[in-house]
Amino acid sequence: EPEVTQTPSHQVTQMGQEVILRCVPISNHLYFYWYRQILGQKVEFLVSFYNNEISEKSEIFDDQFSVERPDGSNFTLKIRSTKLEDSAMYFCASSKGLVETQYFGPGTRLLVL
Amino acid sequence: KNEVEQSPQNLTAQEGEFITINCSYSVGISALHWLQQHPGGGIVSLFMLSSGKKKHGRLIATINIQEKHSSLHITASHPRDSAVYICAADYGGSQGNLIFGKGTKLSVKP
Repeated sequence: EPEVTQTPSHQVTQMGQEVILRCVPISNHLYFYWYRQILGQKVEFLVSFYNNEISEKSEIFDDQFSVERPDGSNFTLKIRSTKLEDSAMYFCASSKGLVETQYFGPGTRLLVL
Repeated sequence: KNEVEQSPQNLTAQEGEFITINCSYSVGISALHWLQQHPGGGIVSLFMLSSGKKKHGRLIATINIQEKHSSLHITASHPRDSAVYICAADYGGSQGNLIFGKGTKLSVKP
């Protein structure tokens, strides 16, 4: 069964460093999402992406964040200058269409020191 | 502000018990999702529904649009059902982003 994959599974970085989190959505899906979950808190929406552009972003998704679909398969989230409060689990998800089941990747656990 | 409220926050059950988890939300949703988060953190989509009822194995999800309420039921619960169950609302016109509840942590004892 097709699945969303994410790499790396864990990443440790120093405050101020740039990180790139990678996702490979399910191949025939058109909508892509990034969510994050700070430890012990609820999952929060970051950004949605469709037709090679951002559809919507939350207030969390400020100028230090960017997303890209550099080729036909990868979907990346870049955090330009990490802060301690960026430590969280980051989930990528994809769906075939709008208001359809979203399939989640296993997540990347980011720790900023 | 669109919110999603879940109850209970924690639930402990004996194996075989019938379990109900509740979710309430604000007006105007396009769909309501039920998700399962395993202890390792992975999230699995269980149901997406916008009306009525859906069933998959021992899991049943219902939604009452008028009352802005959804329930997830687990029949004949088993220890492997132990997980965090999350409801998430799609408020529509928002390109599919979801607003999540805080989750219900379910522990089923043998």
